[in-house]
This record gives sequence, structure tokens and C-alpha cells, in this order.
Amino acid sequence: ETGVTQTPRHLVMGMTNKKSLKCEQHLGHNAMYWYKQSAKKPLELMFVYNFKEQTENNSVPSRFSPECPNSSHLFLHLHTLQPEDSALYLCASSQDRGGSYEQYFGPGTRLTVT
Amino acid sequence: GQNIDQPTEMTATEGAIVQINCTYQTSGFNGLFWYQQHAGEAPTFLSYNVLDGLEEKGRFSSFLSRSKGYSYLLLKELQMKDSASYLCAVLDSNYQLIWGAGTKLIIKP
Repeated sequence: ETGVTQTPRHLVMGMTNKKSLKCEQHLGHNAMYWYKQSAKKPLELMFVYNFKEQTENNSVPSRFSPECPNSSHLFLHLHTLQPEDSALYLCASSQDRGGSYEQYFGPGTRLTVT
Repeated sequence: GQNIDQPTEMTATEGAIVQINCTYQTSGFNGLFWYQQHAGEAPTFLSYNVLDGLEEKGRFSSFLSRSKGYSYLLLKELQMKDSASYLCAVLDSNYQLIWGAGTKLIIKP
């Protein structure tokens, strides 16, 4: 248990559906991240929030929409996804953005787009 | 471009020693991380190196040579539970983590 929880753990959705992924951290961290992990590929950073403000958006398609209502919660809203968006979506947090702070990861949401 | 290279898969025997290499080419360097990820689980932090040399932490050690753009993770007295993927990541000049694709380590009895 790393102090970062994600729900749901598994999600199957059609291309026309709208769903949301939720992440919560209980570590008092200021920075939160969304990553996409596909088989045999490096982790892809999607979004970074620091003190609830989005600091990075790594050219992520608009069908992915993040929301960070407070420093403890992070959402990823999904709509009109494509089959190639099927992957493991990991949330992480760290004490602050940048520096040598290690990141603590949640268990991930395994997303399948049909 | 920025690049992290590590072997895709390695196999070792229980009780033995294995070295997982990582080479990097990044715009700037502010440290190198190793993470362990068991199948279906979250990555967990193993080590952080920013200065050259070897850092030992129990059965695991991590080495860094900044001049060579090279690091390795050394695992001693291998146990079956060490079967996992090992991820190398470099903090670049913008303090962004650049990740390798990971090395899947298979431990055989």
C-alpha cells in the first residue's frame, strides 16, 4: 500500500462512452501525475499538477481531460476514446514537482476500449 | 532526442547475482531513479543516484557514471520475489522524468 489509491481497477468502455478515473493520495504531497503505460513501452507522462495547477500537458489528445479539485484528488475524464487508448493508466504523487522527490504510484486502472 | 536504453528481458537463477544496465542520452541530468514493478502492480521506488559511484541498500545496489551516461542495478542473493520489471528513469534539465521501457527479470529456481 503506497498511499495512492485508484478507482476503478479495471474498466471496459465503448468508443462512445464517457467515464472517469479517480486517484486519491493520502501522503500530503503537492504534485500529482497521470501516466499511460503500454506493454513494452516507456511510461508516458500525460499531465502534471502542482498545488492543484496544471503544469504540464504532454500533447495529450483532448479526449483525455484531467481535473484536480484539490491536492489530494486527481481525475481523468475520458470520452470518445480509441482502441489504441487501451492501456494501464497510472496515477502518481510526489512531495513537489521536480527535484529528486521519488514518485509514489497507485495500482493503476486497466482500461480496455472496445 | 532523449533516450533511455535497457535490456528488454533477463533471466537469472535463484541465489545468484544479476546486473541490469541502463544507458541514457538526455538534455541535462539531475539524477537517475530505479523502480521495481511487479506484474499488475504499481512501480515502487528502489534508488536514486545523482553523484558517481555505488549506492548500496541491502541486497540491491545502484551505480552511476555520469561521464558515460550509464547506470546499473545490481541484485544479489536473488529470490523468486525479485521477478519483476525494473524501470530506469532520468531526471532531465527541466526536472522531467524520462523513462526507459523497463527490464523484465525472470528468476528461475
